[in-house]
Amino acid sequence: DVQLLESGGDLVQAGGSLRLSCAASGFTFSGSGMSWVRQAPGKGLEWFSAISGSGGATFYADFVKGRFTISRDNSKNTLYLQMNSLRAEDTAVYYCTKEGRGGSSDYWGQGTLVTVSS
Amino acid sequence: DIQMTQSPSTLSASVGDRVTITCRASQSISNWLAWYQQKPGKAPKVLIYKASSLESGVPSRFSGSGSGTEFTLTISSLQPDDFATYYCQKYNSYPYTFGQGTKLEIK
Repeated sequence: DVQLLESGGDLVQAGGSLRLSCAASGFTFSGSGMSWVRQAPGKGLEWFSAISGSGGATFYADFVKGRFTISRDNSKNTLYLQMNSLRAEDTAVYYCTKEGRGGSSDYWGQGTLVTVSS
Repeated sequence: DIQMTQSPSTLSASVGDRVTITCRASQSISNWLAWYQQKPGKAPKVLIYKASSLESGVPSRFSGSGSGTEFTLTISSLQPDDFATYYCQKYNSYPYTFGQGTKLEIK
């Protein structure tokens, strides 16, 4: 079975940094694009980053560009998100997702909560 | 960037009703659209991909249609388990923007 397990969420002060991890199993990790999606408390879903299966191509939404970095280690079946210069508005549950048919997210992790205090 | 707009934001319906949720794109996205269901405290689950393809294991009462800029998600006969929030997402090109969501409530 496909499993995605995020970790690394925490309470951090504004301006600080955090690294999230997503451990993947049950599928050929290097063959799948992966994304990060977040959801602020009581709000909707917000896609913000993706990476190709090889890691050679990365994509970001404008609101995280220059602050967040997506990466992966295919030898460890793990996806990462390095978050710098965190702001109060980055407070959210962060989900990693596996890209399925053509790009939709066919599997999601359970999410990890990042709280940024101002 | 292409914007995705869902309507309505909230929908009240009863078990057995047929309901339709609409998602509009600000530019054509061909059929690169997915629909997700999310229940409180849970991760979203994909229902429909490529606008009208039913994800494996999803009940056949869910269906999707549309192409270009206008899309619909239809639930043919609401079941108690269907009361949730629904999101569309475009994925023709980055950013893979979501609609703002439609909360389906029990009338």
